[in-house]
Amino acid sequence: GAGVSQSPRYKVAKRGQDVALRCDPISGHVSLFWYQQALGQGPEFLTYFQNEAQLDKSGLPSDRFFAERPEGSVSTLKIQRTQQEDSAVYLCASSDHKGVLNTGELFFGEGSRLTVL
Amino acid sequence: DAKTTQPTSMDCAEGRAANLPCNHSTISGNEYVYWYRQIHSQGPQYIIHGLKNNETNEMASLIITEDRKSSTLILPHATLRDTAVYYCIVRPLYNQGGKLIFGQGTELSVKP
Repeated sequence: GAGVSQSPRYKVAKRGQDVALRCDPISGHVSLFWYQQALGQGPEFLTYFQNEAQLDKSGLPSDRFFAERPEGSVSTLKIQRTQQEDSAVYLCASSDHKGVLNTGELFFGEGSRLTVL
Repeated sequence: DAKTTQPTSMDCAEGRAANLPCNHSTISGNEYVYWYRQIHSQGPQYIIHGLKNNETNEMASLIITEDRKSSTLILPHATLRDTAVYYCIVRPLYNQGGKLIFGQGTELSVKP
């Protein structure tokens, strides 16, 4: 499809396990964002990439969270030694940089729901 | 970024107009008002944005008060598919990459 694709859609992990969540942005989109959404809350910003450069990681909650986008396209959010409080939906969004300046429109994927037992 | 205040929830009858208010009394001159919505189990979806003039597109209308301290999103003929959480966000147009800061939003229930 032409939208933002995230995988897996659902992930169950035991506390202490490492997980990796993948995001395939819309082709050609320069900007990529990761958000964390806890149950009943609005999405919270985690990190932002412009091409392969991670320009803002101010929202990452701890050093257990790591994101990368090595070739400026697909991105992976990695969570090490998962804790129960990491249980949330992780949303990825992308935008055409020119489009962002003009409309502020981010295109979101459906998210990856992580449950840590 | 300026903060916004929205009612936690609202109901609307199907076919009637849904008017969703948002207060942003600390908005600054270079900040725009954006509206997104999130249908259950989906990612947020852009609806509309504006600076100081009223805006309309195929989805909704945005009315911004003259002092820009509040705005209203109008869905002219609400349908059951408009049931969602609606987020009002203010941000500078030219911030880095277009990062959005979401609040709690308004949960709109459209009832038959």
